[in-house]
Amino acid sequence: KAGVTQTPRYLIKTRGQQVTLSCSPISGHRSVSWYQQTPGQGLQFLFEYFSETQRNKGNFPGRFSGRQFSNSRSEMNVSTLELGDSALYLCASSLETGITEAFFGQGTRLTVV
Amino acid sequence: GESVGLHLPTLSVQEGDNSIINCAYSNSASDYFIWYKQESGKGPQFIIDIRSNMDKRQGQRVTVLLNKTVKHLSLQIAATQPGDSAVYFCAEGSNDYKLSFGAGTTVTVRA
Repeated sequence: KAGVTQTPRYLIKTRGQQVTLSCSPISGHRSVSWYQQTPGQGLQFLFEYFSETQRNKGNFPGRFSGRQFSNSRSEMNVSTLELGDSALYLCASSLETGITEAFFGQGTRLTVV
Repeated sequence: GESVGLHLPTLSVQEGDNSIINCAYSNSASDYFIWYKQESGKGPQFIIDIRSNMDKRQGQRVTVLLNKTVKHLSLQIAATQPGDSAVYFCAEGSNDYKLSFGAGTTVTVRA
């Protein structure tokens, strides 16, 4: 059974650009969550989607957005990139929430220069 | 506010000894707590969870203890092995579809 797949693994962008990250959940999982991980702030919740609906959003500016498709795959977008957006972006999927057993992908390492 | 924190940022353990990683939380309304292990270059890996109506839960070589009176969570790893070297996170969740993570404890196993 394939795990959570995130693409790309690494990305370098310039300030002011935008970026789209992709997450394919485990087959059958309908909940997808996104987290930002930085050395200073740790793991911070971005948003959660279930059946194409965003059910919760963390305290991030409107430049951070996401969506989920009918096949449960999810994308997140960051517009007008800032240096502080450099981080590891992690996607997690679970059958339901609850999220008692959320499975994480390996993440996308975004570097903004 | 809600916060989940670990008592110590680092822990050095002799191979074969037992490890205890601690976590304090502040949200008494949390429904469940989870321990994750993150190795370098990888995403967090689920270790074990515990519901708020439980005090103890055991897995393979791991035990999680929950003390709701003092809002304290711990992860015990028996017979620590070199492969246990990683960063360990506690996380809490409720019915709002998100997890709140602590800062993490880096465990180093000495041979």
